[in-house]
Amino acid sequence: AQSVTQLDSHVSVSEGTPVLLRCNYSSSYSPSLFWYVQHPNKGLQLLLKYTSAATLVKGINGFEAEFKKSETSFHLTKPSAHMSDAAEYFCVVRRAGSYQLTFGKGTKLSVIP
Amino acid sequence: DAGVTQSPTHLIKTRGQHVTLRCSPISGHKSVSWYQQVLGQGPQFIFQYYEKEERGRGNFPDRFSARQFPNYSSELNVNALLLGDSALYLCASSPVRDPNQPQHFGDGTRLSIL
Repeated sequence: AQSVTQLDSHVSVSEGTPVLLRCNYSSSYSPSLFWYVQHPNKGLQLLLKYTSAATLVKGINGFEAEFKKSETSFHLTKPSAHMSDAAEYFCVVRRAGSYQLTFGKGTKLSVIP
Repeated sequence: DAGVTQSPTHLIKTRGQHVTLRCSPISGHKSVSWYQQVLGQGPQFIFQYYEKEERGRGNFPDRFSARQFPNYSSELNVNALLLGDSALYLCASSPVRDPNQPQHFGDGTRLSIL
C-alpha cells in the first residue's frame, strides 16, 4: 500500500523568504508523486508531478520539488514566498499502474506581510 | 476551455435522505474520479470511471454509488445519509486511462448533513 506523510500541518513564512513543505512517501512500487494546491473554497490545482524522469521537478508559480529515493522524500520548495501562495498544499502518491491518488493530510501555508 | 464543472456548489440534507451530485469533465476527457474531503483532511478516493465502467473503488460503503453517461459526465449517489457524510465532494477528470496523466479537479460540492 502507498501512503504519504506531510511532516508539518502548518507552516508560516514571511513574504520574500523561502518556502519548504516536507513530504515523505511510502510505496511498494515505483510511485508517481504530485503536489496539489487548494485555495479556500476551491478545488485542487496541480503544481508539479514526478513520474520517474528527472528527480528535480519544476512546477508552476516558481515551485519545485526534488525526488530523493534514498530518503523517500519529495519536499516542495520555493525561493521567495508571495502573499498569493497562502493556501493548503497536498502531497499525493499514485502507485505505478493504478489510477487511485492517495493524499497526505495537507500543510497550510501562511505568508506574513 | 471550460474546466471540470460540478453541481450543485452547496447542498444541505438531513440524515437518512438521498443525494445526487453531478460532474461534467473537461471536453475530451473520458475518465472521471470522485473524492471525499472531510474538513481538515486530504481528499479520499471513492470511485474512478472510464468508458462508463467502474475501474476503481475506494474503501466506502455500498451507500455510495456512481455512474458515467455516454457523454462522459458522471453522477455520485449517496443513500441513507449520515452526519459523517458531510464533506466537500470533488470530481476529477483526465483525458485517457493513463495513470501518468494528471487529474484536473473541479471546485467541488459542499454537502452538509443536519
